[in-house]
Parts: sequence; structure tokens; C-alpha cells
Amino acid sequence: KQEVTQIPAALSVPEGENLVLNCSFTDSAIYNLQWFRQDPGKGLTSLLLIQSSQREQTSGRLNASLDKSSGRSTLYIAASQPGDSATYLCAVCYNNDMRFGAGTRLTVKP
Amino acid sequence: GAVVSQHPSRVICKSGTSVKIECRSLDFQATTMFWYRQFPKQSLMLMATSNEGSKATYEQGVEKDKFLINHASLTLSTLTVTSAHPEDSSFYICSCISSGNTIYFGEGSWLTVV
Repeated sequence: KQEVTQIPAALSVPEGENLVLNCSFTDSAIYNLQWFRQDPGKGLTSLLLIQSSQREQTSGRLNASLDKSSGRSTLYIAASQPGDSATYLCAVCYNNDMRFGAGTRLTVKP
Repeated sequence: GAVVSQHPSRVICKSGTSVKIECRSLDFQATTMFWYRQFPKQSLMLMATSNEGSKATYEQGVEKDKFLINHASLTLSTLTVTSAHPEDSSFYICSCISSGNTIYFGEGSWLTVV
């Protein structure tokens, strides 16, 4: 069974702090892995896409890593800002299917 | 700009009515589209896989007569929630696979049944 777990479920940090969100998956035969953010009442915004052959991807203050052998991915957010407050979803893409974690609800306090 | 357009973004309907949600790929042809729903504080759950020109494949527990999916062209798939009830209130989102095997998501649709 392909399961995706995200830890922690919720996280509250002061502005400026660096933080790490975790995603683990049970089936390592992935095609790629994506991190999304979801703002309340809005749709998904794609943040980073890591192909199965890649180890990490970076975009601005965001860095995502992938370790297929251990079934883990992390999303690192540097110098967090209040505007980063959102729910972050990890999605693992298998062949023609995608499984989502339940998300981490991040609050960055000014 | 958005490569997948989903409409409407928000809809409120009365119990017993049917609601149609459209998902369009704007810059590419999508032979496969996916429909998901998300309940509050839960993860996105795959409802069905929609292939152009054929019947959709529904996940276990999803009523195909309740959630009608039509994928009549390579750029359009529709999800119709028939005889909607308050428990159908949810966030519905579609995704499409491009020829380069990149998955794009629509903006999602918030359905509230009153």
C-alpha cells in the first residue's frame, strides 16, 4: 500500500527561523515528488518538483531533498516569513497516480 | 500563468441539485486527468482517473453514479456532483499530465451544499 506521511501536522515558529518539514513514503518506486503549498480557501501552488533521479531542488529560500532508499523527503525553508504561513503538502507521484500526505500547517509569527 | 484552468472556483448550491466542475488544460493536450477531493484537515484523496474517450476509473468507495466524470476531449474533463448533499461539501481539484509527464493542478473548486 502506498502511504505518504507528513510530520509534524502543525508547526508554529517565530519569523526568521529556519525550519524543516518532513515527508515519508512507504513505496520507494516513485516517479517524482512534489511539494505544494495551500493557502486557506485557495488551490494548490507547486513549489518544487524532484525527479526520482535527483537528490534535491532549490528555489529561493526553499530547498527540497529526496532520499528514495529511505523513503524520505524534506522541505527546508530558510529565514521564514509570515507570508510563508500555509499548509504544505507532499505529493508522491507513482506511475499515473499520485499520493498526498495530510500536510503540515505552518504558522510563522511576526 | 495557469496551465490548467478549473471552474468554478467556488460554488454554493442547494441540497438535491447537481453541480458541474470543469477542468481544462490550456497549453497542452492531456490524455489523462485526475480528480481529487479534500475534506478539512485531511489529505487530498484521489477520486477517479479520467482518460479521454473512455470511462473513468473510480477509486474504491467513490460512487460513479454520484460523481459523473466526462473526458470528451483532450483538453476538457468535467466532474458532476449529482443530487448534492451537505456531506459532499468539499474541495475538489483536478490535475493533468502533460506529454513531458509533468503534473499540473487546477486551482481547485470549493463546493458548499446547503
